[in-house]
Amino acid sequence: QKEVEQNSGPLSVPEGAIASLNCTYSDRGSQSFFWYRQYSGKSPELIMSIYSNGDKEDGRFTAQLNKASQYVSLLIRDSQPSDSATYLCAESGGGADGLTFGKGTHLIIQP
Amino acid sequence: DAMVIQNPRYQVTQFGKPVTLSCSQTLNHNVMYWYQQKSSQAPKLLFHYYDKDFNNEADTPDNFQSRRPNTSFCFLDIRSPGLGDAAMYLCATSSYLGSYQETQYFGPGTRLLVL
Repeated sequence: QKEVEQNSGPLSVPEGAIASLNCTYSDRGSQSFFWYRQYSGKSPELIMSIYSNGDKEDGRFTAQLNKASQYVSLLIRDSQPSDSATYLCAESGGGADGLTFGKGTHLIIQP
Repeated sequence: DAMVIQNPRYQVTQFGKPVTLSCSQTLNHNVMYWYQQKSSQAPKLLFHYYDKDFNNEADTPDNFQSRRPNTSFCFLDIRSPGLGDAAMYLCATSSYLGSYQETQYFGPGTRLLVL
């Protein structure tokens, strides 16, 4: 059974600081990795996707993937109160298979 | 705007009374998924359609069925809802082109309450 592990938090970060979210996964065959943001009572919204080792940047967000360590992270720079949400890490083994999600990290940005 | 639409947004049903949830998409994606998300838990894949091919997860209860009459629509049928089936049901779509898993786009969800 594939597993994705995340610290559930809450992770509290001051406004303007860098928020660092981490995720590990169990299946070495996993190929695709995603970070979703989910506000309470809403559906997941894609933040970043990453497929290759290294860093991928998009605006204030940077995703990092290390397949050897089976580790994925998300950095949020210049954190804003609107970034307060649950961040879900997800992986896929490829093909048209569905995603395996972690339970999410609850992030709180303190004004 | 291209999007994933779910109806209804909120559904209240009685214990044991069949219910159908609907999902439609204007993205022309060839894969459609149904996830169940209970409070404070991760979304859990129930099944997916790759074109017309139905793929059921091994641990999805028989109480849950799905239909995909055409590319745009997919339905989730719960034959005899129990109290434990109360959850948010999420529909997602993606475009699988034969290589990596492409991004999945989620609809707004249907929150199901079982009385």
